[in-house]
Amino acid sequence: SQTIHQWPATLVQPVGSPLSLECTVEGTSNPNLYWYRQAAGRGLQLLFYSVGIGQISSEVPQNLSASRPQDRQFILSSKKLLLSDSGFYLCAWRAGVQETQYFGPGTRLLVL
Amino acid sequence: QKEVEQNSGPLSVPEGAIASLNCTYSDRGSQSFFWYRQYSGKSPELIMFIYSNGDKEDGRFTAQLNKASQYVSLLIRDSQPSDSATYLCAAHILKAAGNKLTFGGGTRVLVKP
Repeated sequence: SQTIHQWPATLVQPVGSPLSLECTVEGTSNPNLYWYRQAAGRGLQLLFYSVGIGQISSEVPQNLSASRPQDRQFILSSKKLLLSDSGFYLCAWRAGVQETQYFGPGTRLLVL
Repeated sequence: QKEVEQNSGPLSVPEGAIASLNCTYSDRGSQSFFWYRQYSGKSPELIMFIYSNGDKEDGRFTAQLNKASQYVSLLIRDSQPSDSATYLCAAHILKAAGNKLTFGGGTRVLVKP
């Protein structure tokens, strides 16, 4: 069966510090991968998606970036965090022939 | 206009009653629709999806799709306190690059014992 992992689970970072969040998927090959952000009490905002290694599409211009160095690894990064980057970051995967997306456990980020 | 809209709630439902959640979408190119449940502080988990007009039942959950009127609904029968959560509606647009889902803002449901 497929499993999706995210770490860390929670993170408190000062404004201006760098960020690296990691997402890995097990039990599948060539997944489509997605990064979402959910601000407190808000809906899901798609940040990036990837259909393959090294292929990244950005949905919202901001100070975040994403990379996919391996088939089942998706990384979200920032060089300098802003207060507005606080939120719940969710990674999701989708098998190539399906439309359903499955979410990881998420990383809660608080920027102070 | 938001592409997928939901009433934010909260929708208060007595235990044992039917909870009815609605979702409307603006893009007629939307092909399939998904309902996710999200407990406070947790990630969304898939409840069910629907592709065709009509009803689809899975246990206590029934999804209803009406493409002509561009709405999707979710019925929760015999509501339990454990059903208290935020329910997210999502639409998949066939033409969208990357096979993206567009999510509504979610409806918060409170089931009162």
